[in-house]
Amino acid sequence: GAGVSQSPSNKVTEKGKDVELRCDPISGHTALYWYRQRLGQGLEFLIYFQGNSAPDKSGLPSDRFSAERTGESVSTLTIQRTQQEDSAVYLCASSLSWGYTDTQYFGPGTRLTVL
Amino acid sequence: TQLLEQSPQFLSIQEGENLTVYCNSSSVFSSLQWYRQEPGEGPVLLVTVVTGGEVKKLKRLTFQFGDARKDSSLHITAAQPGDTGLYLCAGTLYSGAGSYQLTFGKGTKLSVIP
Repeated sequence: GAGVSQSPSNKVTEKGKDVELRCDPISGHTALYWYRQRLGQGLEFLIYFQGNSAPDKSGLPSDRFSAERTGESVSTLTIQRTQQEDSAVYLCASSLSWGYTDTQYFGPGTRLTVL
Repeated sequence: TQLLEQSPQFLSIQEGENLTVYCNSSSVFSSLQWYRQEPGEGPVLLVTVVTGGEVKKLKRLTFQFGDARKDSSLHITAAQPGDTGLYLCAGTLYSGAGSYQLTFGKGTKLSVIP
């Protein structure tokens, strides 16, 4: 079966522009997570969804970041007025549920470069 | 402040050697996971340990969860070039929002030289 897919794989944008990153989770997975991975850093939690509800938005770095999810399907992460420090790989993961033993399956990521 | 300290950050060894990667924290985790990440790909789960003192083996890889559930180690026996990659540890903490949040270490970049 298909894994988690993300698009685009690479995005180069100019400072100040808005970008939208897309994640297609594994079918049937109710939990969906967004992470950010800066060069030389571990993964930084951004937000997660239970279905289309986001009970934990504590990781979003600023109000320029937002995310939504349609039902238990595709999710989009939007970054408004991008800054150079937003340059990173943005990873999406999905899991059947949100327990501490649930396996998160990661997509290949979107590499965002802000010039 | 990094919640999970992973060491070493870089490791370059000869094929056939043994190595250990450490993951330490002052926090108690509900579970501890180890991932491997290849360039241009997302992390792939290797193992989840849940019980303090638990030891799990995956071929030449041995994973141990500390008795107090604050630390973990990954030991690779007779490393092979195919073991080359970025190894990440991640601990799960209850987030208070009805779920568990994964906190990652910075990773250990392993190079195994033929």
